[in-house]
Amino acid sequence: EVQLQESGPGLVKPSQSLSLTCSVTGFSITSNYWGWIRKFPGNKMEWMGYINSSGSTRYNPSLKSRISITRDTSKNQFFLQLNSVTPEDTATYYCARSSTYLDFDYWGQGVSVTVSS
Amino acid sequence: DIQVTQSPSSLLASLGERVTITCQTSQSIRNNLNWYQQKPGQGPMVLIYYATSLQTGMPSRFSGQYSGRNFTLTITSLEPEDIANYFCLQHYSAPYTFGAGTKLELK
Repeated sequence: EVQLQESGPGLVKPSQSLSLTCSVTGFSITSNYWGWIRKFPGNKMEWMGYINSSGSTRYNPSLKSRISITRDTSKNQFFLQLNSVTPEDTATYYCARSSTYLDFDYWGQGVSVTVSS
Repeated sequence: DIQVTQSPSSLLASLGERVTITCQTSQSIRNNLNWYQQKPGQGPMVLIYYATSLQTGMPSRFSGQYSGRNFTLTITSLEPEDIANYFCLQHYSAPYTFGAGTKLELK
């Protein structure tokens, strides 16, 4: 079974970078698409971007200048880096898979990140 | 960006009741919409994909319909385990966008 697990610091200071890891078991990240989504307080959700099987990325234009998604295929992990964070980046961050047959079919349980000094 | 308007934002219902949640998109997305259920502390689980297809393992009391830009999730008879947050996601074109969610509670 495909399982995704997010990890990373729960507290980040304003202007710093937010870095999260998604560890995947049960499926190789060298296939399909692997992305990040966040849910803000108040429940609004935002698709952030993805990295595909060949390592190409696509980002939400609202974040394009601050976001980077990379991967380590040897560890079957992919990563989110969001630069120059502000308190408005406080959210629960999810990683998710999109397969050939079904977009956003498997999700992690999410990790809460607070941006505060 | 495609806007997705979901209603209601919250819903009180009784066990056995029929429940309907809707999403309307700002432009045609054909059938490229999924419905998700999310319980506290858990990741979202896909219920319905491509607007009408029931995900394997999900109870048959869940169903999805659509007409044009209007999408509907129906629970035919509410069970206690259905108490959760529900949201829709359009995956027709990036940036993919979400409905605001519906918090389903017991009356």
